[in-house]
Amino acid sequence: GAVVSQHPSWVICKSGTSVKIECRSLDFQATTMFWYRQFPKQSLMLMATSNEGSKATYEQGVEKDKFLINHASLTLSTLTVTSAHPEDSSFYICSAARSGVNTGELFFGEGSRLTVL
Amino acid sequence: KQEVTQIPAALSVPEGENLVLNCSFTDSAIYNLQWFRQDPGKGLTSLLLIQSSQREQTSGRLNASLDKSSGRSTLYIAASQPGDSATYLCAVSPLDQFYFGTGTSLTVIP
Repeated sequence: GAVVSQHPSWVICKSGTSVKIECRSLDFQATTMFWYRQFPKQSLMLMATSNEGSKATYEQGVEKDKFLINHASLTLSTLTVTSAHPEDSSFYICSAARSGVNTGELFFGEGSRLTVL
Repeated sequence: KQEVTQIPAALSVPEGENLVLNCSFTDSAIYNLQWFRQDPGKGLTSLLLIQSSQREQTSGRLNASLDKSSGRSTLYIAASQPGDSATYLCAVSPLDQFYFGTGTSLTVIP
């Protein structure tokens, strides 16, 4: 199966700092990647759709200046949480769709747990 | 907007029992439906993907069915094992994004 890797898997930072999370498709190219956020005991909430070489599309209510997404290559998308605050503490998960395959199947990373002190 | 509901929210069964998890969605215009498993603090593991033209998919002890017209899908787990304990999520896709259900937390008691 296709593998998606996220890094770091766990990060603690001070309030006001910025944190970058990477999402890599290891054995396939991904034109489109998705970023989700999950609060404890809740389902995943789509934050944004990231397309290689273009600006990300953000869901309603998600601050694009707060959550910067860059998809510079077909195997890497990054999510930067800028000026993080305790309310940004959450579990962030990325997923990727294999380029050129129209099954719509998504492959998910292991997730990154962010704790902002 | 598509809404996905999963019932029950939590389920506890003794080992060896067969069980059914339910997923319903409000908009039948989907491209596919995917069932996932999520262990605590972990990402998602894809279990089964059903294309909109398919009625069911099977993998080992798992069988997922899809009835687009009624907006329902079921995940059948045969001969449950303690290792099956996890949260199971269904997600429907109109191709450009996924809409997730709230999940069913399954506990299989040895």
